[in-house]
Amino acid sequence: AQTVTQSQPEMSVQEAETVTLSCTYDTSESDYYLFWYKQPPSRQMILVIRQEAYKQQNATENRFSVNFQKAAKSFSLKISDSQLGDAAMYFCAYRRPTGANSKLTFGKGITLSVRP
Amino acid sequence: NAGVTQTPKFQVLKTGQSMTLQCAQDMNHEYMSWYRQDPGMGLRLIHYSVGAGITDQGEVPNGYNVSRSTTEDFPLRLLSAAPSQTSVYFCASSYSRQGYYGYTFGSGTRLTVV
Repeated sequence: AQTVTQSQPEMSVQEAETVTLSCTYDTSESDYYLFWYKQPPSRQMILVIRQEAYKQQNATENRFSVNFQKAAKSFSLKISDSQLGDAAMYFCAYRRPTGANSKLTFGKGITLSVRP
Repeated sequence: NAGVTQTPKFQVLKTGQSMTLQCAQDMNHEYMSWYRQDPGMGLRLIHYSVGAGITDQGEVPNGYNVSRSTTEDFPLRLLSAAPSQTSVYFCASSYSRQGYYGYTFGSGTRLTVV
């Protein structure tokens, strides 16, 4: 079974600075998808970024980018120019590519605070 | 607005009571699932469905039932509520079984069992 590990329960960053959130996963498969979700205090789950395992290029969405290291099974999220609105819980998630068992497996999450 | 609609947003139950959490999506998504979120535990899968008439158990299915009679609806039933079921529940759906698509989540239901 796939597992997703987020070992840092909390992190803090100064506004306008850069922060990196870590995530590792365990799988025996070569093809899969990885996601970062943001959960602000409103509780809504928001998709931040996705990475396809067969792509070597790291995904980027505006101020959010990932460092995908397939051999190391590592998938970190970098937030540049941090803003107060980035304060939230962030979840890393794994999904198999296809089939009935293509469910989303989540890490335990990390709470990010942004200092003004 | 297109999306996943969950009701109710908040609920308090007494131990032993039963209730149904409603979930509806209007995006014609095949894949629907229920998660529970507990502090320090992330989101854990309760049940999921890959299409109307097809459901299966996830990681923590005990105490919950589901059915999927239509593509749009995927209700979660608590048979006899227990304090251990106090949690935030999320319904989520996906366009297809293909992993490229992340999930669209409902806004969640905070359930307290006393």
